[in-house]
Amino acid sequence: AQTVTQSQPEMSVQEAETVTLSCTYDTSESDYYLFWYKQPPSRQMILVIRQEAYKQQNATENRFSVNFQKAAKSFSLKISDSQLGDAAMYFCAYRSAYNNNDMRFGAGTRLTVKP
Amino acid sequence: DAGVIQSPRHEVTEMGQEVTLRCKPISGHDYLFWYRQTMMRGLELLIYFNNNVPIDDSGMPEDRFSAKMPNASFSTLKIQPSEPRDSAVYFCASSYRGEKLFFGSGTQLSVL
Repeated sequence: AQTVTQSQPEMSVQEAETVTLSCTYDTSESDYYLFWYKQPPSRQMILVIRQEAYKQQNATENRFSVNFQKAAKSFSLKISDSQLGDAAMYFCAYRSAYNNNDMRFGAGTRLTVKP
Repeated sequence: DAGVIQSPRHEVTEMGQEVTLRCKPISGHDYLFWYRQTMMRGLELLIYFNNNVPIDDSGMPEDRFSAKMPNASFSTLKIQPSEPRDSAVYFCASSYRGEKLFFGSGTQLSVL
């Protein structure tokens, strides 16, 4: 079964600085999707970024980018120019391309942004 | 679109009572999911529907839990009777063709 591991329960970053959140996953499948979701105190789960495993190019969404290393099964999230509003829980998630509805989530990383 | 809408936002009930959580998915989405989030177990998939039909309910903890989707715009998750260990945040999410998952704001359930 696929598993998603986030080894950093908590991270902190100074406002305007850059932070990287780690995520590794375990799978025997060759085609899949990876996601980062943000959960602020409001509780809403917000999709931050999505990566398709067959695409070598790392996904980017404004200040958010990923470092996707397929061979290493690593999918880290980089947040540049951190803002106070980035403070939240961040969840890494894996979804099989063969079973659209088998989405596995990591345990989450709580990000604190210091002013 | 207003996104996935869940109600109530908070629910406090006593052990043994029936609890019904409600969800309105995004219009046009053909998949609907119910998740439960706890500190101990993280996000767990309870059940999902495709075109209003329940496909996989293997995540439903026990017979006290049931879910329905009578039409494309409405789903319920019912717990009867409720127990303190059911206390959690329950999320509804929807997607189109299993692509990006869009979550509601969740229902915080407290069973006393």
